[in-house]
Amino acid sequence: SAVISQKPSRDICQRGTSLTIQCQVDSQVTMMFWYRQQPGQSLTLIATANQGSEATYESGFVIDKFPISRPNLTFSTLTVSNMSPEDSSIYLCSKTERQGGTQYFGPGTRLLVL
Amino acid sequence: GDSVTQMEGPVTLSEEAFLTINCTYTATGYPSLFWYVQYPGEGLQLLLKATKADDKGSNKGFEATYRKETTSFHLEKGSVQVSDSAVYFCALSDLGGSSNTGKLIFGQGTTLQVKP
Repeated sequence: SAVISQKPSRDICQRGTSLTIQCQVDSQVTMMFWYRQQPGQSLTLIATANQGSEATYESGFVIDKFPISRPNLTFSTLTVSNMSPEDSSIYLCSKTERQGGTQYFGPGTRLLVL
Repeated sequence: GDSVTQMEGPVTLSEEAFLTINCTYTATGYPSLFWYVQYPGEGLQLLLKATKADDKGSNKGFEATYRKETTSFHLEKGSVQVSDSAVYFCALSDLGGSSNTGKLIFGQGTTLQVKP
């Protein structure tokens, strides 16, 4: 198992503003992941956050909208920029075991954009 | 690219009924397969996993067998309880596959509602 924390746990934001979500994991890992879960939907990978290099974004997600930082091996942030109501989702971070690939998830950040 | 397909939900069962949630996948290489569960208002928890063909993952009375010949990983439980009501996600890891990054690819999720 793993202990992963996220801050904030939820927020209500106004359109046009930005929110930075923090993720702290309990052990050093090379890669962390950021997912989005839109209401009633499955999880979609936003990007892979590699320590020491630029994040790798999935198709449909861009750095200007979702900048990511990875300052060390146990911490990452995701910023949701210039928010619109369509960004209302749960944002989850995760870390993975290299053996077998099990991913452990944080509790999520529930974002509502008005 | 890699993908996961789950049966459509919602699935509504009476307590003590038998549960099957179908999951099939498309992947290059030999991915690990997972079932995750999301209880109402909570985060995503690992339910069980299998890392190679013919492996059976099991936990809390749930089971799933990695079937390479049918590219399937169906979730089963012999007798469901009201507390099993949740959303269940089938997923595969691309470790050992074409991109080998460790990311998970999820199915669309299946909502299970168990009535007393």
